[in-house]
Amino acid sequence: AQSVTQPDIHITVSEGASLELRCNYSYGATPYLFWYVQSPGQGLQLLLKYFSGDTLVQGIKGFEAEFKRSQSSFNLRKPSVHWSDAAEYFCDGQRGAGSYQLTFGKGTKLSVIP
Amino acid sequence: GAVVSQHPSWVICKSGTSVKIECRSLDFQATTMFWYRQFPKQSLMLMATSNEGSKATYEQGVEKDKFLINHASLTLSTLTVTSAHPEDSSFYICSASGGGGTGLLQETQYFGPGTRLLVL
Repeated sequence: AQSVTQPDIHITVSEGASLELRCNYSYGATPYLFWYVQSPGQGLQLLLKYFSGDTLVQGIKGFEAEFKRSQSSFNLRKPSVHWSDAAEYFCDGQRGAGSYQLTFGKGTKLSVIP
Repeated sequence: GAVVSQHPSWVICKSGTSVKIECRSLDFQATTMFWYRQFPKQSLMLMATSNEGSKATYEQGVEKDKFLINHASLTLSTLTVTSAHPEDSSFYICSASGGGGTGLLQETQYFGPGTRLLVL
């Protein structure tokens, strides 16, 4: 079955520290992959997406993600976390061209210690 | 670009009443819109997918007669929760995908800010 897994439910980092949020996917072929961020009581904002090509994807707010086919992973990274990055992060997959249905991971809540 | 709005942002209603939530794509034409429901501290669950001018496709377990979806134009979709009950209280989020010619990749969904529904 097609799925996206976020192994970490809650991560706490200190402000200024580096961050890596894990995401693993299970699809028959290379899916389209997305990272979204949701602030409390808010909708989702697209951080970045991977469709094909360069496996290192740059997003907004200083985030990047690397697609690793060998590990079936699409981990989100940021070199230096800001307090405003505290939010819920969702990794999502889509089967591919012409398929609209997103499969959401369960989310990782990020807390930032000042 | 790719802004999606929802109205209202929050609503409180009495049990048994109906509530309509609007989802609008402000700067692009959305050939496909999606409605999600999110319970506290959980991920989003897709409720239905709607294409402009056609009937919505509901996910398994979602009551189509309770959650009425209308996608009458390329910029507007509505979700009506009929005869709402307290168990319908939730955060409802819509998203929209652009079609050809919008400059947006068709496969990318752009999300609205969500509507919080509380049924008393």
